Amino acid sequence: AQSVSQHNHHVILSEAASLELGCNYSYGGTVNLFWYVQYPGQHLQLLLKYFSGDPLVKGIKGFEAEFIKSKFSFNLRKPSVQWSDTAEYFCAVNVGLTGGGNKLTFGTGTQLKVEL
Amino acid sequence: GAVVSQHPSRVICKSGTSVKIECRSLDFQATTMFWYRQFPKQSLMLMATSNEGSKATYEQGVEKDKFLINHASLTLSTLTVTSAHPEDSSFYICSAGGKETQYFGPGTRLLVL
Repeated sequence: AQSVSQHNHHVILSEAASLELGCNYSYGGTVNLFWYVQYPGQHLQLLLKYFSGDPLVKGIKGFEAEFIKSKFSFNLRKPSVQWSDTAEYFCAVNVGLTGGGNKLTFGTGTQLKVEL
Repeated sequence: GAVVSQHPSRVICKSGTSVKIECRSLDFQATTMFWYRQFPKQSLMLMATSNEGSKATYEQGVEKDKFLINHASLTLSTLTVTSAHPEDSSFYICSAGGKETQYFGPGTRLLVL
């Protein structure tokens, strides 16, 4: 079974600092990759996703992520964070479109706090 | 984006009672919905896949008789926690969508006393 690892559990940054959150997955076949964000008191929202094509994907709110197949990684980045980016970020994997269906396997999440 | 709602948003119940949680897709039809459970400071764990008009598919370790799922229409799936106990206290989240994007409900906080 696939698994997803997020090594940073808590990250504290000052406004305007750059952000990179790590995500590694374990599965040798075709994967679909996602980053979700959960703002305080709100439901999960999709930030960005990768299915195929350009490994550098851009999402909402200035976020981007790069799929590096050789490293089994899909790290999330933002050049300059804002206080409003304070939230919990989840990386998720969907194994293929047929065998795995739409089942998502989530990482443990990274709590980001941006200080003014 | 598509909207998924859950009701109730939070519920407190006594040990031994059953609790029903509803998940609705408000502006689209969903033949498949998913139920997750999230413990404090932990990730979402998939409990089961709810299939419209057929039996749910449960993940390993999830008791199907404990967590009853009914997906009677294309816009509604229900999760019933039967004979709830304090260890069932958790945050339950549903999702629905297509093969590329899942839309998540706001979650239901269950506290069993």
